Amino acid sequence: QVQLQESGPGLVKPSETLSLTCTVSGGSISHYYWSWIRQPPGKGLEWIGDIYDSGSPKYNPSLKSRVTMSVDTSKNQFSLRLSFVTAADTAVYFCARDRLAYQAGDFDLWGRGTLVTVSS
Amino acid sequence: EIVLTQSPGTLSLSPGERATLSCRASQNVYSSYLAWYQQKPGQAPRLLIYGASSRATGIPDRFSGSGSGTDFTLTISRLEPEDFVVYYCQQFGSSPWTFGQGTKVEIK
Repeated sequence: QVQLQESGPGLVKPSETLSLTCTVSGGSISHYYWSWIRQPPGKGLEWIGDIYDSGSPKYNPSLKSRVTMSVDTSKNQFSLRLSFVTAADTAVYFCARDRLAYQAGDFDLWGRGTLVTVSS
Repeated sequence: EIVLTQSPGTLSLSPGERATLSCRASQNVYSSYLAWYQQKPGQAPRLLIYGASSRATGIPDRFSGSGSGTDFTLTISRLEPEDFVVYYCQQFGSSPWTFGQGTKVEIK
């Protein structure tokens, strides 16, 4: 059974870079789109972007200038970097897999999420 | 960007009652690209409905989805105690993918 697990620092200072990794276990990272989605405390969901196993990320324009996603197929991992963070970036960050291979869109598999707090 | 507006923000009902949740899009969304999720406190969202009306694997048949164009509906035919949580709609017909702000179903 495929599972996702986010990892990374839970506390990041303002103006620094948030870095998270999602490890895919129980299955291959190939042939799927992989997304990052975040949820500020008590608020709704925001799609950050996605990446395919061969690269070619797609980002939400609202964050595009600060976001970088990458994939490491040899480690079955994909990563998120968000630069110049502020308190508004405090959120639970989820990694997720699209339901269908080769097709981006809805998400049938999610990590448990990791809370990242931006504070000095 | 397609904005999804969910209504009501909070729905107060009793167990056994029928819940009707609305999701309205600011532009047409092709039905295949509309999904519904359920989120329990402290958990990741769970996919309930994809393609506007197809139940995801393992989802009870009391959950159903309908709609097209700009108006979509999630119906829970008979509320069970575990259904009193938050529900989100999502579109992926036009990038960036967007979510509605959520509807909380609470016990009356």
